[in-house]
Amino acid sequence: QSVLTQPPSVSEAPRQRVTISCSGSTSNIGNNAVSWYQHLPGKAPTLLIYYDDLKSSGVSDRFSASKSGTSASLAISGLQSEDEADYYCAAWDDRLSGWVFGGGTKLTVL
Amino acid sequence: QVQLQESGPGLVKPAETLSLTCGVSGGTLRHYYWNWIRKSPGKGLEWIGFFSYSADTSYNPSLKSRVTISEDDSDNQFSLRLTSVTAADTAVYFCARGEPGVQTPGAFDIWGPGTVVTVSS
Repeated sequence: QSVLTQPPSVSEAPRQRVTISCSGSTSNIGNNAVSWYQHLPGKAPTLLIYYDDLKSSGVSDRFSASKSGTSASLAISGLQSEDEADYYCAAWDDRLSGWVFGGGTKLTVL
Repeated sequence: QVQLQESGPGLVKPAETLSLTCGVSGGTLRHYYWNWIRKSPGKGLEWIGFFSYSADTSYNPSLKSRVTISEDDSDNQFSLRLTSVTAADTAVYFCARGEPGVQTPGAFDIWGPGTVVTVSS
């Protein structure tokens, strides 16, 4: 059971918009920056978002993120088939003195 | 451009020690955090631990008693040792660079391709 909570899966049609939520607590999301990662099967994960809402170099403008209190979310607009992947949120946890990840959300583009 | 590459045995026997190395090319180990992260079958990503440019280490509390992450004697490499492995340690193991951050370590900006480790007799 992951410290950060994400929905196991989301699905949406091409060209639509989807959001992925990430819920934590005051010891992690509430007090530290959130980052988001895209993981394609058989590949290395890649950094999409850091410091809550900053896009990593080369990341499409279709990706955006936000944070409020102890929750964060990743939004993907103009969905494309190439966006099908697992998405993970992560944050430093002050109580554990270590990184925690969400359980991952599998995005399916219908 | 900095690149990471994991290496090590793909098969480890139960109760033995898993040892992996991460080679860093195109940069140095200075100024960053150097992490190991794994993905077990059917599960999400799990942070194992890091060592930092200032020689600090931090480990996942659930693995702390079995883990050592350190800089190798060879240039630009760092290693993972995980003792007393069981089938639950079967996973794809990734090394990843962590940015310095402000008050806490920053995001994982560069990852290796990963290496599959199976624990089986």
